[in-house]
Amino acid sequence: AQKITQTQPGMFVQEKEAVTLDCTYDTSDQSYGLFWYKQPSSGEMIFLIYQGSYDEQNATEGRYSLNFQKARKSANLVISASQLGDSAMYFCAMREVNDYKLSFGAGTTVTVRA
Amino acid sequence: DTAVSQTPKYLVTQMGNDKSIKCEQNLGHDTMYWYKQDSKKFLKIMFSYNNKELIINETVPNRFSPKSPDKAHLNLHINSLELGDSAVYFCASSQVRLAGLPSSYNEQFFGPGTRLTVL
Repeated sequence: AQKITQTQPGMFVQEKEAVTLDCTYDTSDQSYGLFWYKQPSSGEMIFLIYQGSYDEQNATEGRYSLNFQKARKSANLVISASQLGDSAMYFCAMREVNDYKLSFGAGTTVTVRA
Repeated sequence: DTAVSQTPKYLVTQMGNDKSIKCEQNLGHDTMYWYKQDSKKFLKIMFSYNNKELIINETVPNRFSPKSPDKAHLNLHINSLELGDSAVYFCASSQVRLAGLPSSYNEQFFGPGTRLTVL
């Protein structure tokens, strides 16, 4: 079964507007970590933000914030004030407590329009 | 200061050949990984080593063989290459303690990727 689901294959957003990328996850662990990565067209994987399952506050890193709703098992990424350089593919991933690996979602492509 | 490096960045080869991809990390991490990203951009774990010990071996053809000579290096050797092996292969490393709670320290640092094209 898929552990991470990203239902939006592609999104368009106007420059300077905010965009929300959906991510739902499936785990029976009480302790887990959620990660978002950005992959621009150049191909590298860039870590953006982390949310731990026990963190009471939603994570924020600059223009990135994570809307964490534990009961709904969702960890949506919000990018505020979009810039042209935000055009990329975005991946949600999860690490469960007794696992070494990250399980990735299928990704969402974001295109920022001028 | 490159954290995770891979060589080569591009690899074009004929079906049936054998090829290797090398990976090195200078972050002092205990755990290294190989991921395959297919043409639809889906990232799938292939292997993971922790302190030179194989800990993850997903359903991967046995033509793929990882080797970790030390905890800073994880190489991937592929025998008898097939068309379906064409993909981008990412090496990654992280610091993971199974007994500990997941944390931002578990962030995986990725190499730049190796684009393998099998003709």
